[in-house]
Amino acid sequence: DQQVKQNSPSLSVQEGRISILNCDYTNSMFDYFLWYKKYPAEGPTFLISISSIKDKNEDGRFTVFLNKSAKHLSLHIVPSQPGDSAVYFCAAQPRSGNTGKLIFGQGTTLQVKP
Amino acid sequence: DSGVTQTPKHLITATGQRVTLRCSPRSGDLSVYWYQQSLDQGLQFLIQYYNGEERAKGNILERFSAQQFPDLHSELNLSSLELGDSALYFCASSVGTVRGRAETQYFGPGTRLLVL
Repeated sequence: DQQVKQNSPSLSVQEGRISILNCDYTNSMFDYFLWYKKYPAEGPTFLISISSIKDKNEDGRFTVFLNKSAKHLSLHIVPSQPGDSAVYFCAAQPRSGNTGKLIFGQGTTLQVKP
Repeated sequence: DSGVTQTPKHLITATGQRVTLRCSPRSGDLSVYWYQQSLDQGLQFLIQYYNGEERAKGNILERFSAQQFPDLHSELNLSSLELGDSALYFCASSVGTVRGRAETQYFGPGTRLLVL
């Protein structure tokens, strides 16, 4: 039962353009949504998060949008840079229970071409 | 550098064997999480410890166990290993469960386990 889904395994964009990474979820009982970036041979690193009561959060070049009615969130990177090339994971944090465990999507590999 | 360390980086072993993966959390973090990433899969939550006690359990096999010690480092024990246990195992740490904001987790570099 995949509660968090990233349906696009890969995305390729030109440097300077916008990258849009998508994520869908099936469970309404998530409190927060997070995006992590992962380079080869490294652990995931936190990028940005959004509370389930918000619809947008922005941090520099990164903006996350949350559409609760569609159970969909997206990460926008503007402008994209070659150093952004990595695997991006969407993750959700359940509301219930006293735990911060994360439910991850399968990841989307972003390639930013110079 | 996230401040989370994991040893060993690589581990090659045979089916039926037992291994122990070690994780040291960031200084001051009380929560430790273990995740498994199999080929082409996202990270699957295994188990969480908070200040020495088990806090949450995911799809962790009965052959797997974990503990968190008084100095807050954690070990993940994998026994009766099978070929399908080959994966990347990540440890993450966080301050603790903080209500009202996202619980940002900081990940170690992972241990790559290969079972032959």
